[in-house]
Amino acid sequence: EILLTQSPDTLSLSPGERATLSCRASQSVGTSLTWYQQKPGQPPRLLIAAASSRASGVPARFSGSGSETDFTLTISSLEPEDFAVYYCQQRTSWPPSLTFGGGTKVEIK
Amino acid sequence: QVQLDQWGTGLLKPSETLTLTCGVKGDSLPGYWWNWSRQSPGKGLEWIGEINERGSATYNPSLKSRVTMSVDTSKNQFSLKLTSVTAADTAVYYCAKASYLWGTYRGFDPWGQGTLVTVSS
Repeated sequence: EILLTQSPDTLSLSPGERATLSCRASQSVGTSLTWYQQKPGQPPRLLIAAASSRASGVPARFSGSGSETDFTLTISSLEPEDFAVYYCQQRTSWPPSLTFGGGTKVEIK
Repeated sequence: QVQLDQWGTGLLKPSETLTLTCGVKGDSLPGYWWNWSRQSPGKGLEWIGEINERGSATYNPSLKSRVTMSVDTSKNQFSLKLTSVTAADTAVYYCAKASYLWGTYRGFDPWGQGTLVTVSS
């Protein structure tokens, strides 16, 4: 099973600051890495697919990068609505595998 | 706009079978993979499995022995059964649509609203 390790567990920042979230895979997933945002009481929301492709309606302040085993989600300037938990997810076709990272909570400092 | 509405039993006793259904509005089943995931209280997300419109399914190996997914194309819905539940299966269960573009995985979007399933004697 491919394991995804997210760091840090918690990121304490102020609105307007830059957030950098990391996701590391235990083996190469190519660019099959997806990022989600989740707020309390809500399902996750798709942000980034294929490592760097923003989903429809996602603001440009969100960007994704990386390949193989190391990936980054960057929020260029935090807005109040961005304080949430962020998860990465990998999907490989053969053998079929899908796992989520443990999440990074972005909280208001 | 695609919308997933899910329903099912929210309270189970140990050893019973969990059954959840997800109805798809604004889209049809063919051409996509339809997924179930769960999230234990205060914990992260766990993928359960996926199924396509032909009934071809892939399950998380850790749950494979207890999971069955099915589709009903006439009703545009898909279902999850998880047998022999224990307290460890207590979680919010989500359905979601997975799409691919030119063979590239494009993630889960949208998700259902979530169903809290509690297993307690």
